[in-house]
Amino acid sequence: AQKVTQAQTEISVVEKEDVTLDCVYETRDTTYYLFWYKQPPSGELVFLIRRNSFDEQNEISGRYSWNFQKSTSSFNFTITASQVVDSAVYFCALSEAGRSQGNLIFGKGTKLSVKP
Amino acid sequence: GAGVSQSPSNKVTEKGKDVELRCDPISGHTALYWYRQSLGQGLEFLIYFQGNSAPDKSGLPSDRFSAERTGGSVSTLTIQRTQQEDSAVYLCASSDFHGTGNQPQHFGDGTRLSIL
Repeated sequence: AQKVTQAQTEISVVEKEDVTLDCVYETRDTTYYLFWYKQPPSGELVFLIRRNSFDEQNEISGRYSWNFQKSTSSFNFTITASQVVDSAVYFCALSEAGRSQGNLIFGKGTKLSVKP
Repeated sequence: GAGVSQSPSNKVTEKGKDVELRCDPISGHTALYWYRQSLGQGLEFLIYFQGNSAPDKSGLPSDRFSAERTGGSVSTLTIQRTQQEDSAVYLCASSDFHGTGNQPQHFGDGTRLSIL
């Protein structure tokens, strides 16, 4: 069965700390896609990154980096030198190529609070 | 360009009434998705359209829910005889033709539905 687990419900850090959000997924498909979305207090879901199952290269975008490891079925997200504006709920999601609808299967989200 | 637009932003209605929620996707996006976000259930997939067709309606929670899409663009989600458990934020997303489900979905701000 397909599933996304974000074990950390809430994380609180002080500004400038680094923080890692964990994501573990389950799928039987060999071709799949992983996503991270940010939902700030205003409510809209903002797309951050997409990774396909054949590309395990880690990615860095500014203060954000992602570590994809197929061996542990994990797709973790690290924010370096966190800022107050990073406060949001972060969702990890899975989409399977074998699933004709292409819908996203979301984790329950991790609420990140960055305090000044 | 314009993002995904949803209306109304908020809807408060009495139990038993029918409601219609509207989604205007990003121009040119052929795939359209409806999700529901509630405290207890997280983000749940409801239905997917490719063009005007919804090949699988099994994600809709009950037969009180229906959706349509016309002209390959605007979609409406209708809930008949609303119940209190229908209270949630209803999110619409669109993407380029997804093929194998790998295209990022771009979300609207959602409609917050409250059933009294």
